[in-house]
Amino acid sequence: SYELTQPPSVSVSPGQTASITCSGDKLGNNYACWYQQRPGQSPVLVIYQDTKRPSGIPERFSGSNSGNTATLTISGTQAMDEADYYCQAWDSRTSFVFGTGTKVTVL
Amino acid sequence: QVQLQESGPGLVKPSQTLSLTCTVSGASISSGSHFWSWIRQPAGKGLEWIGRIYTSGSTNYNPSLSSRVTMSVDTSKNQFSLKLSSVTAADTAVYYCARENQGFDPWGQGTLVTVSS
Repeated sequence: SYELTQPPSVSVSPGQTASITCSGDKLGNNYACWYQQRPGQSPVLVIYQDTKRPSGIPERFSGSNSGNTATLTISGTQAMDEADYYCQAWDSRTSFVFGTGTKVTVL
Repeated sequence: QVQLQESGPGLVKPSQTLSLTCTVSGASISSGSHFWSWIRQPAGKGLEWIGRIYTSGSTNYNPSLSSRVTMSVDTSKNQFSLKLSSVTAADTAVYYCARENQGFDPWGQGTLVTVSS
């Protein structure tokens, strides 16, 4: 089955840049999405089609996808960005697949 | 503003069938422009896509669950439903419904289903 691998955790200081990677075979050939999940809450879409932000998502969230890796970047990280982040893509064999998840800690 | 709300029993016995309904407000399921999905998350773990349904009733299921999953849609009630048969403790999770809109957006608040005797 298709797998998307993320680092378990990323730490960042307030105001700095956090980068979260998502690795999968030929991931760049498919669109990637990213979700933010704060504790006790439902996931929220923050990036779709690799680079696009839904309405209401701050500009500090950006995405890229090429080769085998998609990346979510949070610029000027704020305390409210502390959450779990999941990538997601479509695979023709297994349909929708989510990444393993990354816990972002703002120190 | 589109909103989704899951409902159903919070406790299901092993080997029985889990049944959940998602009620959509702020949009019509029968508009035909979106798929509607179920996704689950065991406590402290990641997300797993279960499957999706279109207004026409066309479905796609996660191959790992397809033998036990059935989804249906009731356009008159603006609802879609999930049935998962032969459940075990491994099916204990928060179950979310979501609209597929170039990504899953929005999501319902989720409902915890525990499989236990």
